[in-house]
Amino acid sequence: AQSVSQHNHHVILSEAASLELGCNYSYGGTVNLFWYVQYPGQHLQLLLKYFSGDPLVKGIKGFEAEFIKSKFSFNLRKPSVQWSDTAEYFCAVNAYTGRRALTFGSGTRLQVQP
Amino acid sequence: GAGVSQTPSNKVTEKGKYVELRCDPISGHTALYWYRQSLGQGPEFLIYFQGTGAADDSGLPNDRFFAVRPEGSVSTLKIQRTERGDSAVYLCASSPTRAGVYNEQFFGPGTRLTVL
Repeated sequence: AQSVSQHNHHVILSEAASLELGCNYSYGGTVNLFWYVQYPGQHLQLLLKYFSGDPLVKGIKGFEAEFIKSKFSFNLRKPSVQWSDTAEYFCAVNAYTGRRALTFGSGTRLQVQP
Repeated sequence: GAGVSQTPSNKVTEKGKYVELRCDPISGHTALYWYRQSLGQGPEFLIYFQGTGAADDSGLPNDRFFAVRPEGSVSTLKIQRTERGDSAVYLCASSPTRAGVYNEQFFGPGTRLTVL
């Protein structure tokens, strides 16, 4: 069964610091990759997605992620975080197995201090 | 337009009771998913509907859990003989379906179920 690992459970940064959140998955075949964000008191929202093509994908609010197939990774980055980026971030994978379910990582809680 | 809605937002019940959780997907979305999110974890897949039929129910933990979508729109997740371990946030998501294309899932706000 596929699995998704997010190694950083809780990250604390100051405003303007750079961010990189790790995501690794276990499936060896073709995958669709997602980052979702959950702001305090709100529901899960899609931040960005990778289906195919350019492995560097850009999402909303200045976030980007890079798919490195050889490392089974899809790390999320932002050059300069803001206080409003305080949220929980989830990496999710859908493997090309015919199933449409998403497999999520356990999430990374990001706290940005002003 | 309106997003995915879920009712109730909170449900407190006693061990052994029966509960129903409702999901109203985005209009026109043919695919509907249920996930369960326990504290400190990411969402875990329960069941997926394509139209009225359950296309994948491999995530349902046991036969106390059942879901229906009789008219291909609203879905109800039913839990019989609730246990304390069922306490979690139950998330619903929907997506459009186009042949050969995987589409992103849009999530609702969830129902927080507490079993005392």
